[in-house]
Amino acid sequence: QVQLQESGPGLVKPSQTLSLTCTVSGGSISSGSYYWSWIRQHPGQGLEWIGYIYYSGNTYYNPSLKSRVTLSVDTSKNQFSLKLNSVTAADTAVYYCAGGRVGLPFDYWGQGTLVTVSS
Amino acid sequence: EIVLTQSPGTLSLSPGERATLACRASQTLSSSYLAWYQQKPGQAPRLLIYGASNRATGIPDRFSGSASGTDFTLTISRLEPEDFAVYYCQQYGSSLTFGGGTKVQI
Repeated sequence: QVQLQESGPGLVKPSQTLSLTCTVSGGSISSGSYYWSWIRQHPGQGLEWIGYIYYSGNTYYNPSLKSRVTLSVDTSKNQFSLKLNSVTAADTAVYYCAGGRVGLPFDYWGQGTLVTVSS
Repeated sequence: EIVLTQSPGTLSLSPGERATLACRASQTLSSSYLAWYQQKPGQAPRLLIYGASNRATGIPDRFSGSASGTDFTLTISRLEPEDFAVYYCQQYGSSLTFGGGTKVQI
């Protein structure tokens, strides 16, 4: 069974870069059958897709965040990562990593990690 | 971008009742690439339905999905106490977007 676990700082200062990593266990991130994604949820609100990445490194981003987002994958560590630049308080949210089989929605989700943007 | 509009925002029902949740897409979805998720407080979403009408692994058959053009429906035939949660639709056919959610409460 594939499991995902987010890690990274829970507090980021305004204007800095938010960096999170998702570690995949129980399966290989290099499987061409899967794609890997980040989704966030502002407190008390709905889900917002940030972007997804294939093991090859091909990426697709939410147009509303594209200018500030970079996703990357490290197949040697079975991890994929999120960087969000120039954060503000509006980026305070629970960040989830998720995975799904190509052509299908997300089967697998991490537990989520709260990131607060504050000085 | 395809916008998904869910209704109602909140649904107040009792255990044993039938729940009908709606999700309308702003454009036709390719091959019914529409999913439904359930989210309980403090938990990650759980996939219920994919391809508009296919139950994910381990999902009870009281959950069903249907489609008619750009209108999609999630039906819970008889609500169990553990079904009170927030439900999101998601399209994954053209980029990816989520609906705003429907809260099913007692």
